[in-house]
Amino acid sequence: SQQGEEDPQALSIQEGENATMNCSYKTSINNLQWYRQNSGRGLVHLILIRSNEREKHSGRLRVTLDTSKKSSSLLITASRAADTASYFCATDDSSYKLIFGSGTRLLVRP
Amino acid sequence: DGGITQSPKYLFRKEGQNVTLSCEQNLNHDAMYWYRQDPGQGLRLIYYSQIVNDFQKGDIAEGYSVSREKKESFPLTVTSAQKNPTAFYLCASSSDRAGANVLTFGAGSRLTVL
Repeated sequence: SQQGEEDPQALSIQEGENATMNCSYKTSINNLQWYRQNSGRGLVHLILIRSNEREKHSGRLRVTLDTSKKSSSLLITASRAADTASYFCATDDSSYKLIFGSGTRLLVRP
Repeated sequence: DGGITQSPKYLFRKEGQNVTLSCEQNLNHDAMYWYRQDPGQGLRLIYYSQIVNDFQKGDIAEGYSVSREKKESFPLTVTSAQKNPTAFYLCASSSDRAGANVLTFGAGSRLTVL
């Protein structure tokens, strides 16, 4: 079962621009996480936001969470070609299971 | 360096054969997971284990089996009962960061059925 769904499915931007990806989910959560996957590789954890938080920053990353709308957004500022990857949101409902969305494929053109 | 090692990276299988994918971690994590990823898709949970000698089915467990005899190891067997096994398989382990489950992933194993 897919809990989170990312939007858009694919995004192409110029280097230096900001990239915004959205995630919607269906049920109550304890926290929401964002992961990055380079082509053909494993996922890497980027940032976690808890259900009682509304915004969090980490370097060029900014994550927001709106539990009333069951949605989150990931903003990457001043994008670089090295940011080209797929980005996934994952939700944690207090079990040991993390449920991943279908991902946003980001292409940053040099 | 601590991490998760998956092997083999690439594996080819003939129809009707069972294959076992290895996953070893030296992070001292209690929980381990297997996910399947199809091209352009998200991750689907196959099995997970919270402690040694215990594991639970995920969303797509049919045709797969696992064991957890040691904390460090969580091998996945893709059996001949799995009708469409060609996929990218990802193993992960997790630590509890103040009540949050954060996953560390291996590099993946790509299985192709000939």
